[in-house]
Amino acid sequence: AQSVTQLGSHVSVSEGALVLLRCNYSSSVPPYLFWYVQYPNQGLQLLLKYTTGATLVKGINGFEAEFKKSETSFHLTKPSAHMSDAAEYFCAVRTASGGSYIPTFGRGTSLIVHP
Amino acid sequence: AAGVIQSPRHLIKEKRETATLKCYPIPRHDTVYWYQQGPGQDPQFLISFYEKMQSDKGSIPDRFSAQQFSDYHSELNMSSLELGDSALYFCASSWVSANTGELFFGEGSRLTVL
Repeated sequence: AQSVTQLGSHVSVSEGALVLLRCNYSSSVPPYLFWYVQYPNQGLQLLLKYTTGATLVKGINGFEAEFKKSETSFHLTKPSAHMSDAAEYFCAVRTASGGSYIPTFGRGTSLIVHP
Repeated sequence: AAGVIQSPRHLIKEKRETATLKCYPIPRHDTVYWYQQGPGQDPQFLISFYEKMQSDKGSIPDRFSAQQFSDYHSELNMSSLELGDSALYFCASSWVSANTGELFFGEGSRLTVL
């Protein structure tokens, strides 16, 4: 079984400040990990993903995430928040091989950016 | 680039009515997924199809059914609608054979049950 825990349903930052959205996962087999972003009334868009190889992955819009197996974490960061980053962010996990390929999503974190 | 197309984008129904949502996946994608997202909730997996065969089943109510057609488009049929069915329904597609893992989502169909 696999699960995702996103710490904090809401994160509020000032424009230009560091963004840190936390994600911890549980998986009995090597995972694939994803961060998706959802703007109001839109579908989910992939920000970045970890499958194999380098544990620090870079995504779109200046976001990056680091896979830490020992901590079972995949936190999302961005050095400097922009007003346009305000959205809902979902962390997701699926198995790399074997079993179901259906990703499990976290409950989401709403990022609020203040001017 | 072509994206996942969903229709209708908005749908209003009365209780006990039926509704049908359509999804057109990205060309050459072999898998279609349906998700339900309630207000302020994470997307909940309903059902998926790989090469037109049902591949996985999630928390899909018995009142709902889905299928994938020969042209790879998929339809989600919902009957005896309840107020609690009001949600955003997403279709996503992927190329499982490539094993990249990512899903490509449509913009969703918002169902309101009155």
